[in-house]
Amino acid sequence: AQTIHQWPVAEIKAVGSPLSLGCTIKGKSSPNLYWYWQATGGTLQQLFYSITVGQVESVVQLNLSASRPKDDQFILSTEKLLLSHSGFYLCAWSRANQAPLFGEGTRLSVL
Amino acid sequence: AQSVTQPDARVTVSEGASLQLRCKYSYSGTPYLFWYVQYPRQGLQLLLKYYSGDPVVQGVNGFEAEFIKSNSSFHLRKASVHWSDSAVYFCAVSASTGNYKYVFGAGTRLKVIA
Repeated sequence: AQTIHQWPVAEIKAVGSPLSLGCTIKGKSSPNLYWYWQATGGTLQQLFYSITVGQVESVVQLNLSASRPKDDQFILSTEKLLLSHSGFYLCAWSRANQAPLFGEGTRLSVL
Repeated sequence: AQSVTQPDARVTVSEGASLQLRCKYSYSGTPYLFWYVQYPRQGLQLLLKYYSGDPVVQGVNGFEAEFIKSNSSFHLRKASVHWSDSAVYFCAVSASTGNYKYVFGAGTRLKVIA
C-alpha cells in the first residue's frame, strides 16, 4: 500500500526566515505530486504539481518554490517567509488523472 | 478553467437524519468530480469520486453522490448521519483531459447534533 509522509508536523518561524517542508511517497513509482495551502478555516489552494522528477509547474505564485529531487520526494521552500505564509500545507499524490490522496499536513505559524 | 461552488458554509442536522451537501461546478469539458472530508487538524480523506458511467457513485461510510450534468451538480448524500460525521466537506473538480489542476470548493462545515 502507498503511504505519504509529511515533515515536519508543525513549524513556528519568524518573518524573513527560510522554510523547507518535505513530502515522501512510498509504494508508488512515478506518482503525480501536488502541494496545497489552506488558510485557517479556508479552502485549499493548489500551489504546484509535478509529474516527473526534476519538473515542477507552478499553479499560483505565493513567493514559494518547489522541487522534486527524487521520484518519491517533493519539497516546498522559500528563502524569506511572510506573515501570509501561515497556514496548513498539504502534500498529495495521484496516479495519472485520478483523485489526489493527501498527507497529514504541516501546520506553519509565521510570527 | 474549472471552478466549484459550495453554497452552504455551515449545515446542522440531527443525528439519524438524512443529509445533502450541495456542490455545483463550472467546467466546459468533461469533469472529474470528488468529495473529501477533513477532520480537525488533519489532512483530507477521499470519500468518493466520479469519472464516468453510472451517475450515482457510492463512497465510504454510507456516503453517495449523484452527477447531474444538466444541472452541473454533484451533491453529496447520506441517509442517516452519525455524530462522528461532524467535519468539513470539500467538493473538488478536475479536467478529464488531465491538466493536473484540482480545484476545491470553499467547504461545508457539518455539525451533527443529538
